[in-house]
Amino acid sequence: AQSVAQPEDQVNVAEGNPLTVKCTYSVSGNPYLFWYVQYPNRGLQFLLKYITGDNLVKGSYGFEAEFNKSQTSFHLKKPSALVSDSALYFCAVNTGFQKLVFGTGTRLLVSP
Amino acid sequence: EAGVTQFPSHSVIEKGQTVTLRCDPISGHDNLYWYRRVMGKEIKFLLHFVKESKQDESGMPNNRFLAERTGGTYSTLKVQPAELEDSGVYFCASSHRASGRPNEQYFGPGTRLTVT
Repeated sequence: AQSVAQPEDQVNVAEGNPLTVKCTYSVSGNPYLFWYVQYPNRGLQFLLKYITGDNLVKGSYGFEAEFNKSQTSFHLKKPSALVSDSALYFCAVNTGFQKLVFGTGTRLLVSP
Repeated sequence: EAGVTQFPSHSVIEKGQTVTLRCDPISGHDNLYWYRRVMGKEIKFLLHFVKESKQDESGMPNNRFLAERTGGTYSTLKVQPAELEDSGVYFCASSHRASGRPNEQYFGPGTRLTVT
């Protein structure tokens, strides 16, 4: 079965510092990986995806993610955090049958 | 381009009542999905339409849930009769028809359902 794990319920970082939100996956075939963000009272917004190709994927709002096949990880990163990045972040894997399997989400809190 | 819209944004009903949620996908998107997030837990897949056909309904919890997409445009999700454990946020998403690899799904703001 396909699954995604986000080991941290919350990540705290100071504004201007780099941030990492962790995600590991388990799939039986090729992994199609996604990151979504949810701001308060909003729906999920697509950030970036890995389908194939370069292991470093760049997405919206300055975010990027690194696909690591040997560690089965797809960590989300940003070189310099903003207070406005504070939100709930979800990692997801597409099973190839179109449905997304999500992690439990990680709350990012960026302090001024 | 208008995004995915959902109605209502909130619904509070009593156990045993019926509720119907509506989703309007992005125009031209053949794929439409329903997901649910129960408080504090992961977002779980409910079902997937391709146009008006149910492609995958493996995530539907039980036969109290009925989803339709007549005409391949908007979709409704009816819960009848509602139970306490049905409370949560129901998300709808849509995407272009895939050509070999999955496309990103665009999500609506969700409907927060509270069953008392």
